[in-house]
Amino acid sequence: DVKVTQSSRYLVKRTGEKVFLECVQDMDHENMFWYRQDPGLGLRLIYFSYDVKMKEKGDIPEGYSVSREKKERFSLILESASTNQTSMYLCASSSPIPHEQYFGPGTRLTVT
Amino acid sequence: DAKTTQPPSMDCAEGRAANLPCNHSTISGNEYVYWYRQIHSQGPQYIIHGLKNNETNEMASLIITEDRKSSTLILPHATLRDTAVYYCIVRVGTGTASKLTFGTGTRLQVTL
Repeated sequence: DVKVTQSSRYLVKRTGEKVFLECVQDMDHENMFWYRQDPGLGLRLIYFSYDVKMKEKGDIPEGYSVSREKKERFSLILESASTNQTSMYLCASSSPIPHEQYFGPGTRLTVT
Repeated sequence: DAKTTQPPSMDCAEGRAANLPCNHSTISGNEYVYWYRQIHSQGPQYIIHGLKNNETNEMASLIITEDRKSSTLILPHATLRDTAVYYCIVRVGTGTASKLTFGTGTRLQVTL
């Protein structure tokens, strides 16, 4: 059974903290994605990666960075967390032709 | 980028067919239409995709108009477990860096 896992379901951090969100997939997929989801705004793409050490900005990359050192792992980094980054964060992976993206369960991040 | 327009919400009686419309009037000739759904507190789940022809799988049917400017997702016998937000998405770009842009979707409520 295919699986995308995220390091935490719930996370609470303080303003200014550095935050790491980890995502691991076991499907040997080339592509990995980070989205955030907010009420009324749907899912918005933050960053994606189509190969190890490769990354592309999505629609809302400001305030975020990513790291892809290994094929199965894609990390989202908030260098200095702010309250407007309180959100649900979803990771996904897909094969090179992304007919189907597999999503993780999400991490609900609260920044206080 | 081709944008999609969906009604914000729909209701359907259990056991009846649910027909979810999507408008994508600016779609390009090589862009696919994808449908995903998101059940509460879970990551999105792939349902079906198509280019020109109608498609059917074990979950749903996808009807694309001849001019490709709109499509309809059909759940033939809706159940309470089909209550979810349904996203109609047009694939942006080509090759390995293709990405999916999610809108706000249609909230389908299946009732007894």
